[in-house]
Amino acid sequence: NAGVTQTPKFQVLKTGQSMTLQCAQDMNHEYMSWYRQDPGMGLRLIHYSVGAGITDQGEVPNGYNVSRSTTEDFPLRLLSAAPSQTSVYFCASSYGLAGGYPLTDTQYFGPGTRLTVL
Amino acid sequence: AQSVAQPEDQVNVAEGNPLTVKCTYSVSGNPYLFWYVQYPNRGLQFLLKYITGDNLVKGSYGFEAEFNKSQTSFHLKKPSALVSDSALYFCAVREGAGTASKLTFGTGTRLQVTL
Repeated sequence: NAGVTQTPKFQVLKTGQSMTLQCAQDMNHEYMSWYRQDPGMGLRLIHYSVGAGITDQGEVPNGYNVSRSTTEDFPLRLLSAAPSQTSVYFCASSYGLAGGYPLTDTQYFGPGTRLTVL
Repeated sequence: AQSVAQPEDQVNVAEGNPLTVKCTYSVSGNPYLFWYVQYPNRGLQFLLKYITGDNLVKGSYGFEAEFNKSQTSFHLKKPSALVSDSALYFCAVREGAGTASKLTFGTGTRLQVTL
């Protein structure tokens, strides 16, 4: 298994540009999520999905869009990049409960995407 | 709202000495508690979790954590630190059964183990 994969590893954008961060997992996990990691702030949840076709907002959703058309993929879209979105982005997945939330499950993290917005 | 506090930004330990990384939490129901480790330029890796049962939880790489309900703490420990343990450690909490809540992370503690 490749686990959770993310592309690209690094990206530099100009303010106002849009882009999509890719995330894929091959473990047949129902639950997938996106976090951003900023110094001194830990990880903050952006969006999450409990299954294909179902997404919801996390703690810091503004400026980001997600969709979940398949179990494997969970892309994160930046609609109009801003310097405040400079961060390291992590995708994570876990088994989850059918239609619910993975209360006890371990999350598996991808290697991250380092994004700089100029 | 649930929250996690890691009061130390950095912990310095000599190799061979015991280490403790502190974590306290706040939830309104039963907590599910996790420790993750992040090595440089890598994603987070699961270390251990407390769900229910024995208050002392053993995890990967010789780490263990003690759940203390009265002090709302879940400190990470290791009897003998290794230089290779140097990394960023995150504590996380999720409220217990019956609540559809998300995982909340602490701000992280950098562990530096020196020879």
